[in-house]
Amino acid sequence: DMEMTQSPSSLSASVGDRVTITCRASRGIGTFLAWYQQKPGKVPSLLIHTTSTLQSGVSPRFSATGTGTDFSLTISNLHPEDVATYFCYKYDRAPLAFGGGTKIQI
Amino acid sequence: QVQLVQSGREVKSPGASVKISCKTSGFPFDTFSLNWVRQAPGQGLEWVGWISGYSGHTNYAEKFQNRVTMTRDASTGTAYMDLRSLTSDDTAVYYCARVGTSYHSAGYLSDWGQGTLVTVSS
Repeated sequence: DMEMTQSPSSLSASVGDRVTITCRASRGIGTFLAWYQQKPGKVPSLLIHTTSTLQSGVSPRFSATGTGTDFSLTISNLHPEDVATYFCYKYDRAPLAFGGGTKIQI
Repeated sequence: QVQLVQSGREVKSPGASVKISCKTSGFPFDTFSLNWVRQAPGQGLEWVGWISGYSGHTNYAEKFQNRVTMTRDASTGTAYMDLRSLTSDDTAVYYCARVGTSYHSAGYLSDWGQGTLVTVSS
């Protein structure tokens, strides 16, 4: 089965830090990778699609890169409102799949 | 603006079925596909399947193949997900989500419904 492996599963950082989350696909997916932010009790929100394209309205403190099987999301200058769980999501073809999530705490 | 409004919470007994609706507005329903995603309490996101807005073609995750049916009513812009033979493992919030690119069934999910909590309990 297709798997998306995210790491770390959780991290604690300080306000102003730069944090990076990684996502590895079990096979190549080109650039068909998106990142979502889900705050506690809320609906997931699209941050980035097509590996590195920032969704309209999303802070430029979020950036992402990668291709093939290895991808990463970076949050620069961590803010308190960035406390959330972040998911990667591959959508090259069915079955579509999410990573297990990374919970960020401050 | 794009809106996806889902039906309300459900409580079901094991073995029962549940049908969730997702009423859309703000975009041409017949050019965008809708996906269904679920999230068990305290867990991650799980893709359930999609229904194509333009063809009605469906594609389901293998684990749901035998007990899920996704349909759509283009006249009202509403999509439905029917899940049968429920067990406690199906207790989750179910989301409908629109693909961000028209005429693509597989795509990033740009807009989400508010979620429908389905609780399966005896």
